[in-house]
Amino acid sequence: GAVVSQHPSRVICKSGTSVKIECRSLDFQATTMFWYRQFPKKSLMLMATSNEGSKATYEQGVEKDKFLINHASLTLSTLTVTSAHPEDSSFYICRISRGATEAFFGQGTRLTVV
Amino acid sequence: GIQVEQSPPDLILQEGANSTLRCNFSDSVNNLQWFHQNPWGQLINLFYIPSGTKQNGRLSATTVATERYSLLYISSSQTTDSGVYFCAVHPTGANNLFFGTGTRLTVIP
Repeated sequence: GAVVSQHPSRVICKSGTSVKIECRSLDFQATTMFWYRQFPKKSLMLMATSNEGSKATYEQGVEKDKFLINHASLTLSTLTVTSAHPEDSSFYICRISRGATEAFFGQGTRLTVV
Repeated sequence: GIQVEQSPPDLILQEGANSTLRCNFSDSVNNLQWFHQNPWGQLINLFYIPSGTKQNGRLSATTVATERYSLLYISSSQTTDSGVYFCAVHPTGANNLFFGTGTRLTVIP
């Protein structure tokens, strides 16, 4: 069965609004979750590492005020795209890891800002 | 940061053909994984292979860590193999997984 649940799978929003994406670990407690962004026909780019109970660690070039990450529990991390603009349209994917070998990905969220 | 390059970028195969996908990385790694991203975006873990060779059905993978590359072999390809194949690495001393540029595979009947 699924280990990670990501919601919503698809969202269309108006420019200037905010969108929240949820990533839930269903099978085990995840102290760390990772958020990736994927442009069409491109690879996955790590945006940030979400740490339970503390601030997220953002990769260089990712605006932390634009992409708010909250990891309030061991099973839930949220990514909020604030004041979304068309250039934020993309495919967002979360990941959790169990040990050194197992990486599990959410189903992804396709965001379209109009 | 580490560079992860995959080749070829695009590949079109007739059903039943075999193929080899390559992943080159620029620095030492603790871990290397191969993933398949289906047309709906879902990423499926194929292999965890920091070194050596593994096989799973029609797929096999080989990593030569000392020479900083890995190969993914697909035999007797099927249309359901279509999608994008990514390798991803954990650089030594890092917890993050960095993805390669991907190979887009299309298998035609």
